[in-house]
Parts: sequence; structure tokens; C-alpha cells
Amino acid sequence: AQSVTQLDSQVPVFEEAPVELRCNYSSSVSVYLFWYVQYPNQGLQLLLKYLSGSTLVKGINGFEAEFNKSQTSFHLRKPSVHISDTAEYFCAVRDDKIIFGKGTRLHILP
Amino acid sequence: DSGVTQTPKHLITATGQRVTLRCSPRSGDLSVYWYQQSLDQGLQFLIQYYNGEERAKGNILERFSAQQFPDLHSELNLSSLELGDSALYFCASSPGLAGAGETQYFGPGTRLLVL
Repeated sequence: AQSVTQLDSQVPVFEEAPVELRCNYSSSVSVYLFWYVQYPNQGLQLLLKYLSGSTLVKGINGFEAEFNKSQTSFHLRKPSVHISDTAEYFCAVRDDKIIFGKGTRLHILP
Repeated sequence: DSGVTQTPKHLITATGQRVTLRCSPRSGDLSVYWYQQSLDQGLQFLIQYYNGEERAKGNILERFSAQQFPDLHSELNLSSLELGDSALYFCASSPGLAGAGETQYFGPGTRLLVL
């Protein structure tokens, strides 16, 4: 059975500092991996996804993620965060059904 | 704006009651998904419809049911409501033609409060 673990429920980071949000998954088959962002009082929006090919995936708003099959990870990174990145971030894995992680709340400190 | 609309935005009801949540997908999308988001359970996939037919089922309770109509809008029916059903219910849609790698577009959600 597939599962997703987001290792940090909250991540505080100073504005303009880099950030990494961690995600590990388990699945018995090939999967598709996603990162979604949920801004306060809004629905989810796709940041990026990995389907196949290059393991480094670039998304919107300057985010990128790297698929690492041997470590079953799909960590999300941004080199310099802004106040507007304050949101909750969800990692998800899908084969026949989509499974979301519990989410990581990103707090940007001024 | 994702193009997915959900009504109502907020719903307050009592235990034991029944409610219906409505979702209109993006124009041209054939697949509709329903999710429940709560503080303790996180974001849980409930059910997917594709062009009127049930395609996949997740952690949907027997008290809950859904359907997709010929015009592709979908309704989620929640009955015999319990306090624990209080949550944010999201609908998402996708074209439905490209398989599991498709991007899902989420609506703004319906916030349900059961008192």
C-alpha cells in the first residue's frame, strides 16, 4: 500500500533564506509524485509534479523538487522564500488513488 | 481561480441531519474528485467519478454517497451527520484523459460544521 510521510508539521524560516520541506513515500509500484500548496482559506494548487524523466522538477513560484528513488524521497526546495510563501504544503503520491501527506506549515519570519 | 466552483461555501447543521454539497468542474473536465480535510485526519480522498461513472473509492463512509450528473456536475451527500463530520470538503476536477499523472484543480471548498 502506498503512503506519504511529511517529516515536519511546521517549518519556520527567515525571509530570503532557503527552505527544504521533506517528503518520503512508499509504494509497491511506479508512482506519480506531487506537491500542492494551500494558501490560507483557499483550495489546493499544484506546485509541481514528477511523472518520469529528469529527477529534478521545477514548479511555479521558484519551487523545485528532486525525486530520489533509492531514498524514496521527493523533497521540495526554494532558494529564497518570501512572506507570500506562507502556506501549507502537501506532498502526494498516486498510482490508482491519490494519497496526501499530513502537510507542512511554512512560517516565514521577517 | 481554478475554474472549479463549490456551493455552499459554509454549512452549519445539526447531528443526524443530511446535507448535499455541490461541485461544478472546470469546463471540459470529465473527472471529479471529492476530499475531506480535517485537523485530525488531514486531507483524505473520498471518491472519484469519471464521466458519470464511479472510478475510484477512498475512505468514504457508508453514510456518504456521491454522484456525477450528465452535465458533469457532482453532488456529495452526507447523511446521519455526526460531530466528527465537521470538516472542509473539497472538490477537484481534471480532464480525465491522461491517467494518474493528471493535474487536479481544486475548488475553494465547503466548510461544514455539525453542532
